[in-house]
Amino acid sequence: KNEVEQSPQNLTAQEGEFITINCSYSVGISALHWLQQHPGGGIVSLFMLSSGKKKHGRLIATINIQEKHSSLHITASHPRDSAVYICAVRGSQGNLIFGKGTKLSVKP
Amino acid sequence: DSGVTQTPKHLITATGQRVTLRCSPRSGDLSVYWYQQSLDQGLQFLIQYYNGEERAKGNILERFSAQQFPDLHSELNLSSLELGDSALYFCASSVGVSGAQHFGDGTRLSIL
Repeated sequence: KNEVEQSPQNLTAQEGEFITINCSYSVGISALHWLQQHPGGGIVSLFMLSSGKKKHGRLIATINIQEKHSSLHITASHPRDSAVYICAVRGSQGNLIFGKGTKLSVKP
Repeated sequence: DSGVTQTPKHLITATGQRVTLRCSPRSGDLSVYWYQQSLDQGLQFLIQYYNGEERAKGNILERFSAQQFPDLHSELNLSSLELGDSALYFCASSVGVSGAQHFGDGTRLSIL
């Protein structure tokens, strides 16, 4: 079993839909990152969380430390949101462990 | 533009060879991270340097080595290359030991 599990693996949505991507982890962490990787390969860091909730534009990230779970929400989705979204946790030794990513496709 | 510069963008070489990948962090960032992304393994953390010192180590092979220089740029050296080393290698930087990371565009390494 992977230490970081993401669901779903693939997600297709219609423009305007509310989207949720989930991340569960099994190790102790000091922080959790959400990354976005565009089709061209470039990676953008969206959020770094150690507790609670963060919001940036149409993106919201939450984390529940007790349940070892985080969610990334996208409100009013748009085709330009199409990308792979990757959850990564920072372990106690400073190492980063990545989920396999969720491929999101938003249709107009 | 993240401010992190990686060179070269593409590298094609043969098995058994040695290559050096270079990363210049964002101005003011003291930490540099190296990652490998292959089709079958996904993203994997290799190593982190902070202000010239090794800070954390991940799944980095013994054939690979890295260092961070006094001007804070970093190099990842890959030797005795194998076909399985073909991957995208990303560098990222952050201000402190841990924190939001800014990624470079990656170096695509192809081993023939």
